[in-house]
Amino acid sequence: DAGVIQSPRHEVTEMGQEVTLRCKPISGHDYLFWYRQTMMRGLELLIYFNNNVPIDDSGMPEDRFSAKMPNASFSTLKIQPSEPRDSAVYFCASSLSGGQTYNSPLHFGNGTRLTVT
Amino acid sequence: SQQGEEDPQALSIQEGENATMNCSYKTSINNLQWYRQNSGRGLVHLILIRSNEREKHSGRLRVTLDTSKKSSSLLITASRAADTASYFCATDRANAGKSTFGDGTTLTVKP
Repeated sequence: DAGVIQSPRHEVTEMGQEVTLRCKPISGHDYLFWYRQTMMRGLELLIYFNNNVPIDDSGMPEDRFSAKMPNASFSTLKIQPSEPRDSAVYFCASSLSGGQTYNSPLHFGNGTRLTVT
Repeated sequence: SQQGEEDPQALSIQEGENATMNCSYKTSINNLQWYRQNSGRGLVHLILIRSNEREKHSGRLRVTLDTSKKSSSLLITASRAADTASYFCATDRANAGKSTFGDGTTLTVKP
């Protein structure tokens, strides 16, 4: 199994530009999570999906952020327009629900390091 | 604020010594999980302990959970240089459907 695959690994862009981060979860996993990691705020949950449906987007910082999951094998996180304070490492993670125990271990990708200048 | 808080923030030990990290949380939980993050990489799941368990082992790892004190500890025995990483606890609250991570403990194991 290739694990969770994120692209690109690094993204450098100028303020005001649109940024799209991509994620391919582990095949068969029915939960997908987007996290953001910074030194100041640690690891923050932005949004998560179950069976391609967004369940909780309360962590999305503002309307500039949007996430989609058009099918079970692909998700995107878009920032438009980007700002310097969006600079962070963005992680995608997937997991497999276990009936009542839906808090199964998360499998993380290696992240996308975003720098907005 | 974060549900889980690790202590200490940083820990430096010699190879062969044991490392203990602690995690405290605020509300009732279903599970508590520990993850490791190597520099520049994603988090890797180490161990999950359920709220009705008190201790769990996996290789050189020992995790305890005290729900009355709302705390957990991760013990790494006979540490190796390869254990150098950041360690995070993640709490899973009942009916929350998501894990909340603490700020992590950075462990340095000197050869």
